[in-house]
Formats: sequence, C-alpha cells, structure tokens
Amino acid sequence: EVQLVESGGGLVKPGGSLRLSCAASGFTFSGPSMNWVRQAPGKGLEWVSSISSSGTYTYYADSVKGRITISRDNAKSSLFLQMSSLRAEDTAVYYCARGSGNYGAYYFDYWGQGTLVTVSS
Amino acid sequence: EVVLTQSPDTLSLSPGERATLSCRASQSLSSSYLAWYQQKPGQAPRLLIYGASSRATGIPDRFSGSGSGTDFTLTISRLEPEDFAVYYCQHYGSSPLTFGGGTKVEIK
Repeated sequence: EVQLVESGGGLVKPGGSLRLSCAASGFTFSGPSMNWVRQAPGKGLEWVSSISSSGTYTYYADSVKGRITISRDNAKSSLFLQMSSLRAEDTAVYYCARGSGNYGAYYFDYWGQGTLVTVSS
Repeated sequence: EVVLTQSPDTLSLSPGERATLSCRASQSLSSSYLAWYQQKPGQAPRLLIYGASSRATGIPDRFSGSGSGTDFTLTISRLEPEDFAVYYCQHYGSSPLTFGGGTKVEIK
C-alpha cells in the first residue's frame, strides 16, 4: 500500500523558515516524480513544486520561486521542501503527492494527508 | 500559463441523479493532459481520471471523463451518497501545472 506521511508543519513568523518532510513507503521511491501541492484554508489546490525521479530536474510555481527548494533522498525514501522568507499567503496545508508522467508534465496519483503551515506574527 | 475554469461552482443534486461537471482551458491541451480529483472535507484529494478519460485504479465506472482541446467534462452517472464532494480538474501538459477552482457537488 502506498503511504505518504508529511511532517514539519507548524507556526512560523513572517520571514521565517521551515522544512517539510514526506516519508514514503509501499512503492519504489526512486521511480516516480514527487511533488508538493498546497491548499490555503477554504481555498482550492495550488501546485507548488515537482522533482524528477533522480532529482535532476526541479520545477517551481512562480509564487514560490527563489524562496523554496525541493529535494529528495531516494536512499531514505524521503521528499523535502525547504521554505524560507515565508509570507502570510504561504499559509496552507501542504500535501506531498506522487507524480505520474514525464518532464514536468505530472498528475498526482497518491497523496499524503498534508501538514499545516501557518505564517503569522 | 493554462487557466482552467470550472463550472458550475456548485451543483445541487439528489442521490441517483446524473452529475455533469465542466472544465474549460484557456488554451488547447496537448494530448489531453487533463486529470480530475475528488476531495472530501478534511481529506486529501483523490485521483479519479487522467488523460482526460482514463479511470484511476479502483475508481468506480460511474465516473467518466471526456473531452479534448479546451473543453472537458466529468460525469457521474448516478450519484452515490459518498460522491458529494468537491471536484477539481488539473492540466499537466506543461509547467506551471494548474488546477481549476473546483465544483462542489452538494445534496439537494
């Protein structure tokens, strides 16, 4: 059974940093792309970032480019999102999602339950 | 950037009725790179449809997707109580990946 478990969310002040993690199990982690999708309270879904299976290629939404870095450790079946210069508008539930597709053209076939990031003073 | 517009915002129907949800893209989607997701309150989204019309693993056949180019449709042939939820479309033909604003299917 595919499982994705996010951690690392919490309350952070504007301008602060946070590192999210996603522990994966139930599949060969080094195979598919991995992704982060977020959802602000009461709002819709917003794609944040993707990383190819080997980690060679990364993709970012314009809204987070330059402030967020996606990475993965295939040996530990783990995905990460390093976030800095956080803003109030980054407040959201962050979902880890397994991707299907190629070269940044991904849909998301399995999702974690999400971790809440709140940016507030 | 591909903008996806979903309609209607809310669909009020009774169990057993047919639901038709629309997703319109601001430009033609190559190779029908469109997916549909279902999200219930407090839960993560679940993949229903990819490639515009292919059902994901374990998805009941009352869910079907159709369309090409700029106009796509998700149809639920007969609504079951567990189908009342919010549905999102997503394009994945190119970066940035984008989602529609969602359609809420509520019990009438």
